[in-house]
Amino acid sequence: SQQGEEDPQALSIQEGENATMNCSYKTSINNLQWYRQNSGRGLVHLILIRSNEREKHSGRLRVTLDTSKKSSSLLITASRAADTASYFCGGSNYKLTFGKGTLLTVNP
Amino acid sequence: DTGVSQDPRHKITKRGQNVTFRCDPISEHNRLYWYRQTLGQGPEFLTYFQNEAQLEKSRLLSDRFSAERPKGSFSTLEIQRTEQGDSAMYLCASSSTGTSSYNEQFFGPGTRLTVL
Repeated sequence: SQQGEEDPQALSIQEGENATMNCSYKTSINNLQWYRQNSGRGLVHLILIRSNEREKHSGRLRVTLDTSKKSSSLLITASRAADTASYFCGGSNYKLTFGKGTLLTVNP
Repeated sequence: DTGVSQDPRHKITKRGQNVTFRCDPISEHNRLYWYRQTLGQGPEFLTYFQNEAQLEKSRLLSDRFSAERPKGSFSTLEIQRTEQGDSAMYLCASSSTGTSSYNEQFFGPGTRLTVL
């Protein structure tokens, strides 16, 4: 059974707006990894945040991690139509445990 | 291209047939993982290898499923006597346990299996 939960399940925004997705997990982890998946494709690795980190940036992405609440958030700034995809977080000790993902639609 | 590759990308088979998928990891990665993803769900862990040793198998991996990584490089996943419920995307990922690595897992494009 899956232990992660992404919220919201779907998000629709206009190009240029920011998109925030949240993720919760149930077990202790060493790190948390965010992925993007375009329809019918494999997962593209976006960013990894370690359990002793609170915030991490990569380009237009900002990830936070709160281990006391077992939650993480992914912020995509200045969204583009090409950001339209499903986004998954995976909590990891070695294997990844994913939720159902957030489907982000960025309208041009 | 030095990413994870999978073959075939698509497979259509009839119920009861056997199928085999191949995964070639990133060359310096010693860990290899198999996941299964059904429509509208996130990937679910099936099994993983460190070098040639299979270290964990999920309860999702029934006795009809077998995975190998004989030389610690590529891996195969075989499904015997396929059932319609096996229809899914089968994803392979690899990672490194090197001292500078945090086990970032990189995924291949997946093999989409359709069982008729």
